[in-house]
Amino acid sequence: QVTLRESGPALVKPTQTLTLTCTLSGFSLTTSGMCVSWIRQPPGKALEWLARIDGDDDKYYSTSLKTRLTISKDTSKNQVVLTMTNMDPVDTATYYCARHYDDSSPYFDYWGQGTQVTVSS
Amino acid sequence: QSVLTQPPSVSGAPGQRVTISCAGSTSNIGTGYDVHWYQQLPGAAPKLLISGNIHRPSGVPDRFSGSRSGTSASLAITGLQAEDGADYYCQSYDSSLSAVVFGGGTKLTVL
Repeated sequence: QVTLRESGPALVKPTQTLTLTCTLSGFSLTTSGMCVSWIRQPPGKALEWLARIDGDDDKYYSTSLKTRLTISKDTSKNQVVLTMTNMDPVDTATYYCARHYDDSSPYFDYWGQGTQVTVSS
Repeated sequence: QSVLTQPPSVSGAPGQRVTISCAGSTSNIGTGYDVHWYQQLPGAAPKLLISGNIHRPSGVPDRFSGSRSGTSASLAITGLQAEDGADYYCQSYDSSLSAVVFGGGTKLTVL
């Protein structure tokens, strides 16, 4: 059974760094072509893709957020970690991790339940 | 402002047919990148509804269908049911942004 579970702080202060962990179950990033992305959704707003990591450790970032994001993986723990620096109230959102395959236009077949992050002093 | 444009809302009575459009450009849908659709129920994570423009994952009713033409795509839902009330998002890839892109979402209300 494929599952993804996000974890991290529910509240961060402005200028702080956010660290989120996505724990994978039922599949591994070592599988050929497997990838994990982070996607966020501000309250009442649309989905926004943030970053992606492949089993080969190739990494891709949203152009608008590239300077603030770092994605990494710990294959031994089956986890993917996203850090976002210099958090701002506009970063308040539900953050999802999702699985996909390496494709020209990938689709996300499994999603975590999401973790809600509020940025406030 | 989303790269893919969807109507903010659509509505229909039970049993009716509704369509949700997803307008893109020559740097995404128009280039031939696949379009995918997700259903998001209130308080839940998005769920894959249509992949690769027309394909329904196992378990998705055949009342849901997708299509793509030129720089746009559409999701059709026939035989509307109360449980179809949700937000729907289209998604593709944009070569100018080198990024996955989503539509702004469409709220479906079943009257």
